[in-house]
Amino acid sequence: QSVLTQPPSASGAPGQRVTISCSGGSSKIGNNYVYWYKQLPGTAPKLLIYTNNQRPSGVPDRFSGSKSGTSASLAISGLRSEDEADYYCAAWDDSLSGVLFGGGTKLTVL
Amino acid sequence: QVQLVQSGAEVKEPGASVKVSCKASGYSFSTYAVHWVRQAPGQSLEWMGWINAGNGNTKYSQKFQGRVTMTRDTSANTAYMELNSLRSEDSAVYYCARGTAAHFDIWGQGTLVTVSS
Repeated sequence: QSVLTQPPSASGAPGQRVTISCSGGSSKIGNNYVYWYKQLPGTAPKLLIYTNNQRPSGVPDRFSGSKSGTSASLAISGLRSEDEADYYCAAWDDSLSGVLFGGGTKLTVL
Repeated sequence: QVQLVQSGAEVKEPGASVKVSCKASGYSFSTYAVHWVRQAPGQSLEWMGWINAGNGNTKYSQKFQGRVTMTRDTSANTAYMELNSLRSEDSAVYYCARGTAAHFDIWGQGTLVTVSS
């Protein structure tokens, strides 16, 4: 069981906006940056959002991240078929001195 | 371009050891840490630990402490992860990734390790 909690699934129609949540304690999300990764089947994860809300070069501005207290969210607007993937949040855990990942959210584009 | 290329798939018997390599190119290897993350079939990502490619210092997840060893060869720009006393639950894809804390900007392609008798 992952210590960062994500909904197992999310869905939306093309063009819609969906959000994926990620919650954790003060020693995790509360005191540290949150990162988001996108993983297509059979491929390595890809960095999507870093330091809560920054997008690496090449990531469309349809993707945005936010954090408040011990929770974070990934929002995807203008949903497209290629957004169908697994999404993971991650954060450093001060008490473990290690990295935690969320359980992952499978996004389906209807 | 900046990339990490991992060694090929492995099949091991229970109790054996596996050593996975991760060769870096396109950047100054010693400047960044290399982390190891694994993913069992249908499961989430699991962080195993990291190695400072510059000085060789390591930090392992408590779960793998005593069973994992991470090393690097700066002359070959390559990091290694060795896992001992393999059991069926260790069957997974193992990834190396460049980064700091939970910020992993470059990932290897993954190495499938299958533990089976």
